[in-house]
Amino acid sequence: DIQLTQSPSFLSASLGDRVTITCRASQGISRYLAWYQQKPGEAPKLLIYGASTLQSGVPSRFSGRGSGTDFTLTISSLQPEDFATYYCQHLNNYPYNFGPGTKINVK
Amino acid sequence: QVRLVESGGGVVQPGNSLRLSCAGSGFTFRDYPLHWVRQAPGKGLEWVSMISFDGSNKHYAASVEGRFTLSRDNSRKTVYLQMESLRPDDTATYYCAREGGLGDSSGFWYFDVWGRGTLVSVTS
Repeated sequence: DIQLTQSPSFLSASLGDRVTITCRASQGISRYLAWYQQKPGEAPKLLIYGASTLQSGVPSRFSGRGSGTDFTLTISSLQPEDFATYYCQHLNNYPYNFGPGTKINVK
Repeated sequence: QVRLVESGGGVVQPGNSLRLSCAGSGFTFRDYPLHWVRQAPGKGLEWVSMISFDGSNKHYAASVEGRFTLSRDNSRKTVYLQMESLRPDDTATYYCAREGGLGDSSGFWYFDVWGRGTLVSVTS
C-alpha cells in the first residue's frame, strides 16, 4: 500500500500569510493526488486534483504542485475561511489512502 | 442540485451488524463509482471501500475486508454498505463520496461530491 505523510501536522498562521503544506508518498504516484479541506462538523471539500488542477469554484489563492512522490499545497494569502484541516489523498491504486492531515490555526 | 445523503447510522453493540445507505440525486447515478470514507472522532480520514458504476468491481480497505460488503441499486440511486462483526474501532462518521473525473479531459479522478456523513458508534 502507498502511504502518505504530511508536514507540518499543525501550522499557526496569520491572515495574509503564505502557507505551504507538503505531502510525500511512499512510492511514485505520478500526479494522482488530490487535496481536500475540512472544517469541523463538515464533510471534506475537494480543492485540487491531478496534483495541480484547481477544482471549479475554488479560489485561485490555492495552488498545488508536484509529481512522483513530493507534492505541495500553497495558500498564497490566508483568509479567515481557510483555517481548517487539509488532507492529501492519492488515487494511484487501491487503497486510496489519505495523509494524516495538516491543521491550520490562528497564530 | 447534486447531492449524496447517507443514512442508517446509529449505536450498535460489538459483533453486531448495520447497513448504511447512500442516496444520490441531481446527477446520473449509474455513471459514477462511489466510495465510503470514514473518520473516527477527532481523527483523520480513512478510505474504506469503492464500488464501480455498475457494481461489478469492488475494493475494500484491509481493516474492513471480509466484514463489510458494498452493493448498489442504480434503479433506486442508492449504494449500500453492509457492515458485519462490528468492532469498537469501527466507530466513526461514514461519508459517501462520488468519484468524478471519468471522461474528464484531465485524465485524473477525485472525490468531488460528498455526503454529510452518518455516525456509527460501536459500544457495549
